[in-house]
Amino acid sequence: QKEVEQNSGPLSVPEGAIASLNCTYSDRGSQSFFWYRQYSGKSPELIMSIYSNGDKEDGRFTAQLNKASQYVSLLIRDSQPSDSATYLCAVKALNAGNNRKLIWGLGTSLAVNP
Amino acid sequence: ETGVTQTPRHLVMGMTNKKSLKCEQHLGHNAMYWYKQSAKKPLELMFVYSLEERVENNSVPSRFSPECPNSSHLFLHLHTLQPEDSALYLCASSQEVGGPSTDTQYFGPGTRLTVL
Repeated sequence: QKEVEQNSGPLSVPEGAIASLNCTYSDRGSQSFFWYRQYSGKSPELIMSIYSNGDKEDGRFTAQLNKASQYVSLLIRDSQPSDSATYLCAVKALNAGNNRKLIWGLGTSLAVNP
Repeated sequence: ETGVTQTPRHLVMGMTNKKSLKCEQHLGHNAMYWYKQSAKKPLELMFVYSLEERVENNSVPSRFSPECPNSSHLFLHLHTLQPEDSALYLCASSQEVGGPSTDTQYFGPGTRLTVL
């Protein structure tokens, strides 16, 4: 059973701090990795995608991928109260039997305190 | 309209009712998905359509019946639902071009379904 694990939180950080969100996955053949943000009562929206080992930066967000250790993380610099949401990690395996199937984590709840 | 739209946004139905959820994508994508999101559970993939053909059905009960008349529209027909089917139903779309660096899914706003 392919799995994606996230700490459910809540992760609480002060405004302006760095928030670090982590995700581990079980399928070593996984190739595509996604971070989505979901506000309460809303649908998930894509924050970052990453496919290669290393860091990928987009504004205040940095995704980090380590395939050897099977984890992917999301760093949010200069956290703002508007970043308070649930962050979902999704992983797609190379040979999942169906290329369209993402495996989703439960999400980490982030609270940024003013 | 842009992106992925869903109607209705909220739906309350009895167990004997028949209703349909509608999804429309304006992104030119060729794959569409239905997901169920319940509290304390990860997103559950229900159905996948690629090029209007259903390519995946994760053993969803027959009281849920999908329909994809074209690459822009997706329906989920509901009948004789159970209270445990109450959840947020999300539609998503993506462009299937193959390879590991594709398949970013974009979601609609969802339909909050309550079954009494």
